[in-house]
Amino acid sequence: DTEVTQTPKHLVMGMTNKKSLKCEQHMGHRAMYWYKQKAKKPPELMFVYSYEKLSINESVPSRFSPECPNSSLLNLHLHALQPEDSALYLCASSQDGTSGGLTDTQYFGPGTRLTVL
Amino acid sequence: AQSVTQLGSHVSVSEGALVLLRCNYSSSVPPYLFWYVQYPNQGLQLLLKYTSAATLVKGINGFEAEFKKSETSFHLTKPSAHMSDAAEYFCAVSVIKAAGNKLTFGGGTRVLVKP
Repeated sequence: DTEVTQTPKHLVMGMTNKKSLKCEQHMGHRAMYWYKQKAKKPPELMFVYSYEKLSINESVPSRFSPECPNSSLLNLHLHALQPEDSALYLCASSQDGTSGGLTDTQYFGPGTRLTVL
Repeated sequence: AQSVTQLGSHVSVSEGALVLLRCNYSSSVPPYLFWYVQYPNQGLQLLLKYTSAATLVKGINGFEAEFKKSETSFHLTKPSAHMSDAAEYFCAVSVIKAAGNKLTFGGGTRVLVKP
């Protein structure tokens, strides 16, 4: 099973709301990722968790707050977002996100389509 | 720095014709390269990956790619296009960072298949 699940599928929120995106995998992977994808653009990496520790933060604004409660779950907490944050948010996982895992395959979820009003 | 460039943001092919999507890489070390496909309103699905074991890599759905070091290329091909191949295709390279790996994607190529 190579499935990564994400909830919700769609989310509409106001600029003052607090919401969370959830991602789950049961492949025993120890690395999980958040990407942001704007329309007609490639995914851009936001965060990487390796063995439940934040290993890469690509200078993402603090209104995005990641959390990895355990090796199977990854959350992205959203607060005070801007309309330009509207995008498809993709979660991915791989067996090992360390520098020794260059050939790691990242498996992607279906994404959450976020609209900020 | 490692990067990939996809030539052509849009490709239009007739059903049954050859599909050729171009990807060139820039890397000072042996690269690890990937092709992903994204269908409308979906996530990314791995088509194939190059990890230096073989220069011709076969993937899913009849796609294959050939790694050519002399041309710094990793072009994706499929002999006969199906309507179901209409999608966005991304070439990506695995980039080493001190804190871990990251995938860096090319700009993507949208494939349109004409009946």
